[in-house]
Amino acid sequence: GNSVTQMEGPVTLSEEAFLTINCTYTATGYPSLFWYVQYPGEGLQLLLKATKADDKGSNKGFEATYRKETTSFHLEKGSVQVSDSAVYFCALSVNNYGQNFVFGPGTRLSVLP
Amino acid sequence: DGGITQSPKYLFRKEGQNVTLSCEQNLNHDAMYWYRQDPGQGLRLIYYSQIVNDFQKGDIAEGYSVSREKKESFPLTVTSAQKNPTAFYLCASLDSFMNTEAFFGQGTRLTVV
Repeated sequence: GNSVTQMEGPVTLSEEAFLTINCTYTATGYPSLFWYVQYPGEGLQLLLKATKADDKGSNKGFEATYRKETTSFHLEKGSVQVSDSAVYFCALSVNNYGQNFVFGPGTRLSVLP
Repeated sequence: DGGITQSPKYLFRKEGQNVTLSCEQNLNHDAMYWYRQDPGQGLRLIYYSQIVNDFQKGDIAEGYSVSREKKESFPLTVTSAQKNPTAFYLCASLDSFMNTEAFFGQGTRLTVV
């Protein structure tokens, strides 16, 4: 079956620190990979995505590279800000009939000034 | 503007009552999903629907019911059989044939009083 594993945190960093949130996946077929962000009391927003191996998704200083050989899609940011405090979800989607969108458990990030 | 709308944002229910949460999308997406999120937790899939007049149980369907009479609408009913309904409910939609990202509503916070 399809599944996503990510570090559950919580992760606490100081402002301007380097961020890595690990994500690995198991999938049948060729998945697309996503990172979503959830701010308190809100729905999920797409942060970035990659649709094939070696693609790099990027947005707002965040980056993640689709690594087929290691089945990973780690999220990175070189210098976090207090406003980046949120919950981050790794997810995959496979193009077949059924439950084709799967989320990881989420990682809570707190950035301190 | 295209999007996915959940209503109401906040909902209070007395014990023993059924309540229906609305989810509407104008993105022409075929697939729609309902998730439950408890405080500090990840997303758990309640029901999903790939096409009109068809839906499937997710991981925690007991005490919930859905319908998919129109492509645009996927209402969720929380029945009195759901013993612990207080939670944040999220609706999502996606174009499953294009294997693109899921779009989320802003969520409904249901509280049993």
